[in-house]
Amino acid sequence: EEVLMESGGASRQPGGSLRLSCEASGFSIHIYEMNWVRQAPGKGLEWISYINNVGSNIYYADSVKGRFTVSRDNTNNSLSLQMSSLRVEDTGVYYCARRVPRSAHFDLWGQGTPVTVSS
Amino acid sequence: QSVLTQPPSASGAPGQRATISCSRSNSNIGSITVDWYQHIPGTAPKLLVYRGDQRPSGVPDRFSGSRSGTSASLVISGLQSEDEADYYCATWDERLKVYIFGTGTRVTVL
Repeated sequence: EEVLMESGGASRQPGGSLRLSCEASGFSIHIYEMNWVRQAPGKGLEWISYINNVGSNIYYADSVKGRFTVSRDNTNNSLSLQMSSLRVEDTGVYYCARRVPRSAHFDLWGQGTPVTVSS
Repeated sequence: QSVLTQPPSASGAPGQRATISCSRSNSNIGSITVDWYQHIPGTAPKLLVYRGDQRPSGVPDRFSGSRSGTSASLVISGLQSEDEADYYCATWDERLKVYIFGTGTRVTVL
């Protein structure tokens, strides 16, 4: 079974840092482009980051640009999101999602990991 | 950046049809491909339709996507109680290099 599993969600104060991980099992991520998506409490889904299969192309939403860094380790079949300068509005559930090659849609999602930023 | 607008809610009795629209703020939606996701809070979002009208294997055929003029639509035929969820349209903006989700629609089965 193909599974994505996020971890690392925690509570932080504004200005703090946090690193999220996404472990893949049942398939190899090396051919897939990967993304992070979040959902703030009571809000809709928000795409925040994309990384291509070799890590040479990376894109971010304006809301996190300059503060978040996505990376991947194809050898260990994992994806990471380094979050810094955290803001209250970064609170939410963070999902990693697999993008189908040569397409745009996300065909596999993790269950999500919660992040709370509060003073 | 384009905004994809959906109605905040839709509903129907079991067995009835629910239609969710997705319109693009600054252009005809006919120029983009639209994906649709189902999200039950607390669970992983699920891909229902991609490239406007294609269904992944395992998605029931009562979920169908279409496009007409300035909007895309997701139709749920034969509503079932397990269809109560939030539904999002989405598209990749190749110029801005961002994936845009619609505003979301909460579907209630009466």
